[in-house]
Amino acid sequence: EPEVTQTPSHQVTQMGQEVILRCVPISNHLYFYWYRQILGQKVEFLVSFYNNEISEKSEIFDDQFSVERPDGSNFTLKIRSTKLEDSAMYFCASLGPMYEQFFGPGTRLTVL
Amino acid sequence: GENVEQHPSTLSVQEGDSAVIKCTYSDSASNYFPWYKQELGKRPQLIIDIRSNVGEKKDQRIAVTLNKTAKHFSLHITETQPEDSAVYFCAASMGGGSSGSARQLTFGSGTQLTVLP
Repeated sequence: EPEVTQTPSHQVTQMGQEVILRCVPISNHLYFYWYRQILGQKVEFLVSFYNNEISEKSEIFDDQFSVERPDGSNFTLKIRSTKLEDSAMYFCASLGPMYEQFFGPGTRLTVL
Repeated sequence: GENVEQHPSTLSVQEGDSAVIKCTYSDSASNYFPWYKQELGKRPQLIIDIRSNVGEKKDQRIAVTLNKTAKHFSLHITETQPEDSAVYFCAASMGGGSSGSARQLTFGSGTQLTVLP
């Protein structure tokens, strides 16, 4: 069964550095999402992406964040200048034909 | 925007007993309600979902009920097993329909279910 994949599984970075988190959604899915989950808390929506543009974004998704689909398979989340509070698990998801969202395994981002 | 409340935050049951987790939502336009199971350090895994055109859906030991009038939905797990132990999240969104839009999921705060052997 196809799955969403994400790399890396764990990223450690210094405050102020840029990070790029990568996702490969399920083939033929058209809507993609990024969510984050701070340790022990609920999953929070960041951004949705459709037809090569942002469809919706939350207040969390400020100017430090950007998303891109650089080719036919990858979907990336960039954080330009990381802050300590960006430390979280970041999940990518893609939308199936019945509007169900399938999540990737996540990237644990640690900002020091 | 949508707000989803989930109760209880923790739930312990004996193996073989039933577990019920309840969620309420605020936006009457929400029409899709999935439940995710998340084991420690793993991805949220979709276990069941329900759309607003039905009141109940069942899949083996798992069932979900929806009351649109009261804006609440519940997850029922029967004959619980130790491997059911995990955090369960409810969520709500608007999706599908003639617009074809697929809105983001708004999650509840999660329920830590522990099934005691």
